[in-house]
Amino acid sequence: AAGVIQSPRHLIKEKRETATLKCYPIPRHDTVYWYQQGPGQDPQFLISFYEKMQSDKGSIPDRFSAQQFSDYHSELNMSSLELGDSALYFCASMTRNDGEETQYFGPGTRLLVL
Amino acid sequence: AQSVAQPEDQVNVAEGNPLTVKCTYSVSGNPYLFWYVQYPNRGLQFLLKYITGDNLVKGSYGFEAEFNKSQTSFHLKKPSALVSDSALYFCAVGGFKTIFGAGTRLFVKA
Repeated sequence: AAGVIQSPRHLIKEKRETATLKCYPIPRHDTVYWYQQGPGQDPQFLISFYEKMQSDKGSIPDRFSAQQFSDYHSELNMSSLELGDSALYFCASMTRNDGEETQYFGPGTRLLVL
Repeated sequence: AQSVAQPEDQVNVAEGNPLTVKCTYSVSGNPYLFWYVQYPNRGLQFLLKYITGDNLVKGSYGFEAEFNKSQTSFHLKKPSALVSDSALYFCAVGGFKTIFGAGTRLFVKA
């Protein structure tokens, strides 16, 4: 079965650079979530989208922005990167149409800021 | 506000013995409860969930969890642990907005 796809899988950036992470949800899933997981930490919710509109916002820094496109893929844009942004960034997708309430996670993008 | 707690940072168990990973929650209304597993350098994998219905929920890889409303708990269990079960386990509450516990690292010794 198709799963959530994230690209790139690994990314190395320097401080003050920008990064764009991409997430392709499971087909027919209308909801996308972004999470940040620091080393040894639990995943922290950043932001979510439902039907291409922002549906909820968590602990996402102002330097970050995200959007969901017409094909339901989502991109997380990160600017003025800081060392503390080094983390694993997960995307998850879900559909609200079947009552499952289950998020399916991608493999994550590991971002290292030097 | 919703919250979830995993009181144990680490659980050690011998292969073949039963295992329990604890989780308690706090929600207003009916809870949506989940367990996820994370293997090293891998994404989160869905194990099982409780939305409604039977309090004992069966999931992947032989895991099950028991929903206890009076104790606001949703402990993860397995009758016989395998070395390959060694991983990081996250309890989560919610659905549209999921809040994760801090995680419990399970070590299963051969």
